[in-house]
Amino acid sequence: QSALTQPASVSGSPGQSITISCTGTSSDVGGYNFVSWYQQHPGKAPKLMIYEVSNRPSGVSNRLSGSKSGNTASLAISGLQAEDEADYYCSSYTSSSTWVFGGGTKLTVL
Amino acid sequence: EVQLVESGGGLVQPGGSLRLSCAASGFTFSSYTINWVRQAPGKGLEWVSSISSSGATRYYADSVKGRLTISRDNTKNSLYLQMNSLRAEDTAVYYCARISWSSRQHDYWGQGTLVTVSS
Repeated sequence: QSALTQPASVSGSPGQSITISCTGTSSDVGGYNFVSWYQQHPGKAPKLMIYEVSNRPSGVSNRLSGSKSGNTASLAISGLQAEDEADYYCSSYTSSSTWVFGGGTKLTVL
Repeated sequence: EVQLVESGGGLVQPGGSLRLSCAASGFTFSSYTINWVRQAPGKGLEWVSSISSSGATRYYADSVKGRLTISRDNTKNSLYLQMNSLRAEDTAVYYCARISWSSRQHDYWGQGTLVTVSS
């Protein structure tokens, strides 16, 4: 049950675009389209931002998009805004009928 | 409105026990798989345990297997986590989260309850 691999940090200026990668294995990310992404602000509970690789829940900005290729999923955020500054976590369902999270990526808006 | 409210956290000595609860409202609790997810101070999210809608199927992370037990009471719309033989590394905020089964995502989360294991 090793954690999915995410970069520890990414940064961008307002208006720019960033991408966060999430690498797993064929037993999780590569084997299912059950990849989701969560945003977490300090002291708050995580919030679902993307599910099933690329779907956005109602109310989530269309500046966020998700994709997957092989064992790596990605979250892209365009038109960066100050409110996007947060920690982001990917998650995948696994072949063991469990879930695994990534180590988290701190997004800094410069 | 979907709500999940955790309770029962606190300070406990190593080797001690604690029981967390998660009260659900705003949806048909008995129709959903529910997970416990924890977050150690300054660390990332870690999936802990999962229980199916009926309670018949349960899964655990290797790090807690044999020490933590997940259960639910669908008549009370409540989820539980019995924590025994607690270790310092169990110190974390514990969240309950609802699973949307068709796409396996954690679609609603509680606010979390802090468990501190320390002498």
